[in-house]
Amino acid sequence: QKEVEQDPGPLSVPEGAIVSLNCTYSNSAFQYFMWYRQYSRKGPELLMYTYSSGNKEDGRFTAQVDKSSKYISLFIRDSQPSDSATYLCAMSDGGNYQLIWGAGTKLIIKP
Amino acid sequence: DVKVTQSSRYLVKRTGEKVFLECVQDMDHENMFWYRQDPGLGLRLIYFSYDVKMKEKGDIPEGYSVSREKKERFSLILESASTNQTSMYLCASQGDGSYNEQFFGPGTRLTVL
Repeated sequence: QKEVEQDPGPLSVPEGAIVSLNCTYSNSAFQYFMWYRQYSRKGPELLMYTYSSGNKEDGRFTAQVDKSSKYISLFIRDSQPSDSATYLCAMSDGGNYQLIWGAGTKLIIKP
Repeated sequence: DVKVTQSSRYLVKRTGEKVFLECVQDMDHENMFWYRQDPGLGLRLIYFSYDVKMKEKGDIPEGYSVSREKKERFSLILESASTNQTSMYLCASQGDGSYNEQFFGPGTRLTVL
């Protein structure tokens, strides 16, 4: 079993829909949770970062962490075609600089 | 803005060739990483370095070596390229501290024939 599980998709939704992307993990020591966005033929870029449990909002994006269920989510409101990308979750216990990555979910927003 | 550059965007090599992939960062970051990315497998760590001349094996170091002679530069070497090393290679850098954000280069798409 992988430490971090993420459905690779693709997930295809119409423009304007609310998108929910998720990861589950097994290591209860993880404290730092990140979402990266990767456009085609580019490197990943940090989108959202959350420490420990709770919600964090940034514009149309909300990151949610439920440590009791070992489950993290990224919500995208009013989705746009420009949101089409692969979204990778990553997490860390803060100990040795390494991030543990999900496989990435390919998201397609149809105009 | 942090900038991480990689020497090539696309590379085609033949089986058995020695391949050098170079990565340079301009933010004086201590930590640098090499990953490969394959469909459905996500990012897999090959090697990382937390200081000049220091290196640590990641999850899949077999068939690869690295060199970090200067703080800003981290090289990945495929001593004898094989077809199963065809992949996207991503370099990342990271400053010290518990935030853990990694900054990525654009990637090198390597094809080994």
